[in-house]
Amino acid sequence: QQQVKQSPQSLIVQKGGISIINCAYENTAFDYFPWYQQFPGKGPALLIAIRPDVSEKKEGRFTISFNKSAKQFSLHIMDSQPGDSATYFCAASKISNFGNEKLTFGTGTRLTIIP
Amino acid sequence: DVKVTQSSRYLVKRTGEKVFLECVQDMDHENMFWYRQDPGLGLRLIYFSYDVKMKEKGDIPEGYSVSREKKERFSLILESASTNQTSMYLCASSLRTSGSWHGELFFGEGSRLTVL
Repeated sequence: QQQVKQSPQSLIVQKGGISIINCAYENTAFDYFPWYQQFPGKGPALLIAIRPDVSEKKEGRFTISFNKSAKQFSLHIMDSQPGDSATYFCAASKISNFGNEKLTFGTGTRLTIIP
Repeated sequence: DVKVTQSSRYLVKRTGEKVFLECVQDMDHENMFWYRQDPGLGLRLIYFSYDVKMKEKGDIPEGYSVSREKKERFSLILESASTNQTSMYLCASSLRTSGSWHGELFFGEGSRLTVL
């Protein structure tokens, strides 16, 4: 059962362009939506995250857009650089007071930035 | 810096062997997780633990067990390895948080297991 659907599976963008990765979720109880970035040979690392009380969050060249009614969120990378080439995972979770929440990850997008 | 160390980066085992994957974190995190990563399937949670000796099943626990005897160490056990368990295994840890924010997951570099 795929609770978080991610697309595209792979993406090639020219340097300086905008990279856009989309995710959709099913569980309306989810209230935390992070993106993780993974370079080859490394574990994923937190890139940026959003709560559903805002529609957009920006950190440098990275922006999350969130549409609660559509149950969709997306990652936009502005002015994409070769160093952004990596695999990106969206994820979702429900915050709990017990601190034992678990993340459900999407299937990942391999992003390649070409000169 | 938080460090999550997985003891073996590459393992090759035979079908039916018992396999131990070890993970140690050095930041006193309460939560620890085991994921497996497969192309096209993303990261799938096998087991997690939010306290010593506590464990909860994730989405794909079949064929796996775990052990958490000490706070810093979380072991994944394959009782009888099978070829469909060939995969990249990722350990992660996080602080237990309550209220408004989820603890950031810190991942190890992964253990690539091949079962022949």
